[in-house]
Amino acid sequence: EADIYQTPRYLVIGTGKKITLECSQTMGHDKMYWYQQDPGMELHLIHYSYGVNSTEKGDLSSESTVSRIRTEHFPLTLESARPSHTSQYLCASSEYWSSEGETQYFGPGTRLLVL
Amino acid sequence: AQKVTQAQTEISVVEKEDVTLDCVYETRDTTYYLFWYKQPPSGELVFLIRRNSFDEQNEISGRYSWNFQKSTSSFNFTITASQVVDSAVYFCALSEANNQGGKLIFGQGTELSVKP
Repeated sequence: EADIYQTPRYLVIGTGKKITLECSQTMGHDKMYWYQQDPGMELHLIHYSYGVNSTEKGDLSSESTVSRIRTEHFPLTLESARPSHTSQYLCASSEYWSSEGETQYFGPGTRLLVL
Repeated sequence: AQKVTQAQTEISVVEKEDVTLDCVYETRDTTYYLFWYKQPPSGELVFLIRRNSFDEQNEISGRYSWNFQKSTSSFNFTITASQVVDSAVYFCALSEANNQGGKLIFGQGTELSVKP
């Protein structure tokens, strides 16, 4: 059972606004991830982190930024939202080099609509 | 290059029918992991199973079963006696041991609709 939380679940916002999507996990996992998913489509990795003060860009280019100041917290920020950012954003975490082969557990997602 | 293909975009069955979701993968690594996730309409991804490349033993969990065949690079998922609650999008995913960051490569997903 995974304990990973995302807020807000739904967000409707106007173009040009700054937004932060929150992600927290209580499992003490070292690694965290952000994926972007358009409706009915596959997931694409946009950011990941090995641990505190570590952030890396994923396969899909994104204008968003992330930070990892605490193990349990991995927020994603868009400085100036645009309609092209409309999507679902999913956060995940996994235990580094676990015997489970780093199974990723996902949060409930944030559905973002930029008008 | 690594890739996951789920050729079935949508499947529709009637309750109590058996259904198999196909997954074919490509990888150059000898050590890798395969996953299935379920995404119900609410949007979250629910982890179902993980298999490593050295374990080809098939697995059964209740109405769910998985058939891993390295010879055909396939990791198929069967639901026996399907139920309406099984309606969801199912994703197959691959992670390579040598892949930086332990990234998951997802297939396109198969949308399963189980009708009463």
